Amino acid sequence: EAQVTQNPRYLITVTGKKLTVTCSQNMNHEYMSWYRQDPGLGLRQIYYSMNVEVTDKGDVPEGYKVSRKEKRNFPLILESPSPNQTSLYFCASAQGVEQYFGPGTRLTVT
Amino acid sequence: GENVEQHPSTLSVQEGDSAVIKCTYSDSASNYFPWYKQELGKGPQLIIDIRSNVGEKKDQRIAVTLNKTAKHFSLHITETQPEDSAVYFCAASIRGGGNKLTFGTGTQLKVEL
Repeated sequence: EAQVTQNPRYLITVTGKKLTVTCSQNMNHEYMSWYRQDPGLGLRQIYYSMNVEVTDKGDVPEGYKVSRKEKRNFPLILESPSPNQTSLYFCASAQGVEQYFGPGTRLTVT
Repeated sequence: GENVEQHPSTLSVQEGDSAVIKCTYSDSASNYFPWYKQELGKGPQLIIDIRSNVGEKKDQRIAVTLNKTAKHFSLHITETQPEDSAVYFCAASIRGGGNKLTFGTGTQLKVEL
């Protein structure tokens, strides 16, 4: 089944404790992206990658890092999480314009 | 950059009625306009899209219209059913901007029995 998977689905952590949210797609897509969803703000792009080893900032990149060492994986790294990064995070992949989203990761930073 | 506004933020309709959600965009270079449906606990799923060379597109009970001059596009759902209840997002993509999508703020649609 063609899909985008994210892990973990739920995460509660404390300020400053480094964490990684994994994203993997099995559709051989070149493009991958991370979004955060907050009430009243819709989905905002954090980082995206056009291909392996090619990443770029989206609209809200502060406090986040990404890497793209393999085509299928695009992890999101929070080196020192803060409470304002409490949000619902989605990974997406695309070949062409149609984007496929993962199921989401709900992150709470206390 | 592109800015997408979406209205209304919440919409309640009776089962069988029609629902209309409207979006406006700011950048005339945008040429791709998808609509996503997000059910509770799931990621957004593409339900219909339209490109700037087309004025209207239909898929069963769902249709999207685009007015390039006014820079707005709308989602129309006819004969609504309870399973249509979800959050709907519009988005716009700028020509030459790769796959970048700018999303609206979402509409919570509730179909009441």
